[in-house]
Amino acid sequence: GESVGLHLPTLSVQEGDNSIINCAYSNSASDYFIWYKQESGKGPQFIIDIRSNMDKRQGQRVTVLLNKTVKHLSLQIAATQPGDSAVYFCAENVGQGGKLIFGQGTELSVKP
Amino acid sequence: DAGVTQSPTHLIKTRGQHVTLRCSPISGHKSVSWYQQVLGQGPQFIFQYYEKEERGRGNFPDRFSARQFPNYSSELNVNALLLGDSALYLCASSLGAKAHYGYTFGSGTRLTVV
Repeated sequence: GESVGLHLPTLSVQEGDNSIINCAYSNSASDYFIWYKQESGKGPQFIIDIRSNMDKRQGQRVTVLLNKTVKHLSLQIAATQPGDSAVYFCAENVGQGGKLIFGQGTELSVKP
Repeated sequence: DAGVTQSPTHLIKTRGQHVTLRCSPISGHKSVSWYQQVLGQGPQFIFQYYEKEERGRGNFPDRFSARQFPNYSSELNVNALLLGDSALYLCASSLGAKAHYGYTFGSGTRLTVV
């Protein structure tokens, strides 16, 4: 299938530390990428996006890095807080369509 | 402002039955997309509707169908339910048909097929 992830990777960090969540995307033609946060019982929530003509984009406490050569995306969260605990998904989009292809999620657990 | 509203929040159906899931987009949003999220996996694209026309369809069987109404709300219908249809069904609304407009997801409908 287009979304893999039968075994959800888990990242456990201490409160205040920085977190890095990685994602390998599938389509070299993808030109728009989004990171979503999904808390239990809720739908995905937008965090930050990046277009393929950029390598890096920063938001509040979050940074997304894009390496098109190896089709790799990462999300960095600075000073991770307990409220950041959730499952994080990357998603890719190709061309002018509206379809998102979600990557394997990563469960972030923040220890106080 | 109300977010994306989905109903019902939970339901249980028997194999072979039919189900209709409903979605009300954010006011002013003209695009609605449907995703299926199986436990432990990322959402998978089912349909996108924009201005009442189908704009995209994912790799789902014909048992899955959808439509969008003049008020931009949408229904997802699934016929002849299978156990494997058990999942969280997510609706996402957007101003336009292209992904860069940004999607707002609802909290989903949890469907259990027994």
